[in-house]
Parts: sequence; C-alpha cells; structure tokens
Amino acid sequence: GAGVSQSPSNKVTEKGKDVELRCDPISGHTALYWYRQRLGQGLEFLIYFQGNSAPDKSGLPSDRFSAERTGESVSTLTIQRTQQEDSAVYLCASSSRRLAGQETQYFGPGTRLLVL
Amino acid sequence: QQQVKQSPQSLIVQKGGISIINCAYENTAFDYFPWYQQFPGKGPALLIAIRPDVSEKKEGRFTISFNKSAKQFSLHIMDSQPGDSATYFCAASIRTSGSRLTFGEGTQLTVNP
Repeated sequence: GAGVSQSPSNKVTEKGKDVELRCDPISGHTALYWYRQRLGQGLEFLIYFQGNSAPDKSGLPSDRFSAERTGESVSTLTIQRTQQEDSAVYLCASSSRRLAGQETQYFGPGTRLLVL
Repeated sequence: QQQVKQSPQSLIVQKGGISIINCAYENTAFDYFPWYQQFPGKGPALLIAIRPDVSEKKEGRFTISFNKSAKQFSLHIMDSQPGDSATYFCAASIRTSGSRLTFGEGTQLTVNP
C-alpha cells in the first residue's frame, strides 16, 4: 500500500519568501505529525493533529510557522517570511491511533528546504 | 531541554561484530521507546520498540535492553552487516499525550566489510 508522501521533495527559496509543504498521510491514519530535522541532528517535534481535535502546536518554533489539516486527509505546513535558520528537512509522519498500542509512526521521505 | 541523550555520535564496527547504541531519558512519564533507522535521503523507519513493562525485546538481530531504574535503554545489533550502515535514532513518547516523539541526536553507524 501507499506510504506517507510529501511534496515537494526539495525546495529552494529566498529569505523572506513564504513556503508551503504538503503531506499525504497513509489512508485511514487519524494522527499526523510534523517534525524538523536539521543537518546532522535528531528530529524536533513541530505539531500534531489527531482527528478533529485541536492540534498540539507546542513545538512550533515561532509564529511564522503554521499548519493545517482537514479531517484525516492532507496537511500543509506553511513557513512565512523564511529565514536561513529554517533550512532543514521537514518530515511528516502518520499513525493509526484507533486501537490501543498503535503508536507506530510512519514517516514520509521529507521535504528538503534550503533558504538562501 | 534535551530529554533524550544518545551516544555515541558515530560508531564503526566490523562485519559480524556487535553494534551497541545507548540512550538515557529524563522524563519518567515516557512509556514507549522506539528505535528508528534512517538511510540517506529517506525518512526514518521503525526498527524495534519497547514498553517499560519489559526489560528486553528481541527481533531477529536487533535487541532493545531497557533499564527503568536507570532511565536508560540501548540497541544491540548482533552480527552487524554492511547493509546496517545507517543513522539510528532512539526516541521516547507518552502514549496518553499524543505519542509525539522526542528523539535522541542520532548515531551514524558504519559497518565495514
């Protein structure tokens, strides 16, 4: 079956521009997560969506970052007025939380963002 | 505040050897501890995971050892193969709080033929 897909795979932008990153989760997965991975570092949690509940935005580094998800489908992560320190790989993951113990998060390949 | 500390940063082993990666955590509320494997240009993939009610879990050549009192857990890769060369991340989460993962900084493993 199809895994988590993300687009674009690579994005180069100029400082100050806005960017939108897209994530298509595995069909039927109710939970969706965004993480950021800086070069040579671990993943940092950004935001979590679970069904129609209010998202957990506690990991967003600034108000330039926002994300949306409609129901249990596609999510978009938007970074406004990009800065060079935003350069990173942005990873999306989804999981099925309908059953207890279904914690496994399946990651997409990521979007590599470079801000010049 | 880094809540999961991972070591070593890099590890080189010979084919057939044992690779050992260690992690320590601070938050005693963590109740799920997965290990992820990441190849260059790919997203992380779940390798093996453990819950704190057991001290060890083995799947093929991969074993997690868990020490709740010491707040430490480790990944052992037996009979390491060149195909195991990748970056390994430990992580921890709280299942009742959405299972957002807190990751260690990663270990780059190289297995020489």
